[in-house]
Amino acid sequence: ETGVTQSPTHLIKTRGQQVTLRCSSQSGHNTVSWYQQALGQGPQFIFQYYREEENGRGNFPPRFSGLQFPNYSSELNVNALELDDSALYLCASSPLPGRERTGELFFGEGSRLTVL
Amino acid sequence: SQQGEEDPQALSIQEGENATMNCSYKTSINNLQWYRQNSGRGLVHLILIRSNEREKHSGRLRVTLDTSKKSSSLLITASRAADTASYFCATDSNRGSTLGRLYFGRGTQLTVWP
Repeated sequence: ETGVTQSPTHLIKTRGQQVTLRCSSQSGHNTVSWYQQALGQGPQFIFQYYREEENGRGNFPPRFSGLQFPNYSSELNVNALELDDSALYLCASSPLPGRERTGELFFGEGSRLTVL
Repeated sequence: SQQGEEDPQALSIQEGENATMNCSYKTSINNLQWYRQNSGRGLVHLILIRSNEREKHSGRLRVTLDTSKKSSSLLITASRAADTASYFCATDSNRGSTLGRLYFGRGTQLTVWP
């Protein structure tokens, strides 16, 4: 059984650019959540996908968008990058259907984005 | 904000000692979880306690939950250098509008010296 994998692990962008981060969920998990973790802070919920649809969103602007594919993998896209977008972006999958209570989340190792 | 807050922000102990971390939150929950994060890496789930439970054990971990005080504690007994990490509490919400979302605190940085 493979765990949650994310790519790339590190990347550097400049202000105004766009970035796509990718996540493969753990085998058998159909719900994927994305979190942003700034340095020294706890993870902040960006959004969650269940059955290829957005299933809840945190306080992030529309330039943060996502996709989920039929194989449950997911992408996080961020347009018009700002310096404050520099953070560790974490993907987490869950075996629970998205419309039930949140249980344990299985996290990937994250993608560290630096915006210059 | 429903975000949990851990206390203390940093904790430094010797191997063999016990480590206690506390978490407070603001609104009603279905469950509370504790996660561990080694520096700059992904989070690993440690334990989940439901709102109708008061105490739970897993190996060297003991978690308590007091819903009347909206607080939880994580006790790590007989700590080891390998326990050095950041520890986060995370709560969900029993409000339907935020299904699937976890609220994390800022974490407690635990350092265990050999």
